[in-house]
Amino acid sequence: EVQLVESGGGLVQPGGSLRLSCGASGFTFSNYQMNWVRQAPGKGLEWVSYIDSSGSTMYYGDSVKGRFTISRDNAKNLLYLQMNSLRADDTAVYYCARETQIYCINGVCPFDYWGQGTLVTVSS
Amino acid sequence: EIVLTQSPATLSLSPGERATLSCRASQSVRSYLAWYQQKPGQAPRLLIYGASNRATGIPARFSGSGSGTDFTLTISSLEPEDFAVYYCQQRSNWPLLTFGGGTKLEIK
Repeated sequence: EVQLVESGGGLVQPGGSLRLSCGASGFTFSNYQMNWVRQAPGKGLEWVSYIDSSGSTMYYGDSVKGRFTISRDNAKNLLYLQMNSLRADDTAVYYCARETQIYCINGVCPFDYWGQGTLVTVSS
Repeated sequence: EIVLTQSPATLSLSPGERATLSCRASQSVRSYLAWYQQKPGQAPRLLIYGASNRATGIPARFSGSGSGTDFTLTISSLEPEDFAVYYCQQRSNWPLLTFGGGTKLEIK
């Protein structure tokens, strides 16, 4: 069974840092591209970051570019999100999401599995 | 950045009725559009990919249509478990992507 389990969320002061982790199981993690998506309380979904299967290519949404860093450890089946210079508007539930390999159109793939999310609250 | 606008923001219907949800893109996303369902306290679930293809296990009452800038998610006959929030997602400039603001489907 595919499972994604996020951890590392919590309360942090503005300007602080936090590192989120996403543990993967039930599939060959090193074969899949992964993403982080966040959802502010009562709001919609916002894509945060992408990393390819090898960890060599990363992309970021404009709102986090230069502050967040995505990485992965394929030997440990772990995905990370290092968040620096946190702001109040970074407060959200952060989900890790796997890109499907079976629902792709011309190599463009949606997300077929998501974790349950971890809440990050940025407040003084 | 491609903006996706979903309408209506809230749709109030009764079980058994037909639901029609709209997603409009600020520029063409070809057919690189997906739909997700999200229930309170849960992660989103993939329903439709490639604008019109159902993911495995998704009931046939869910269907997607459209291409370019205008897309529709139709639920032919609402079941009680279908009341949720629905998001469209585009990925025409992969790997970047954007989500729509969501449509809340509520029981009338």
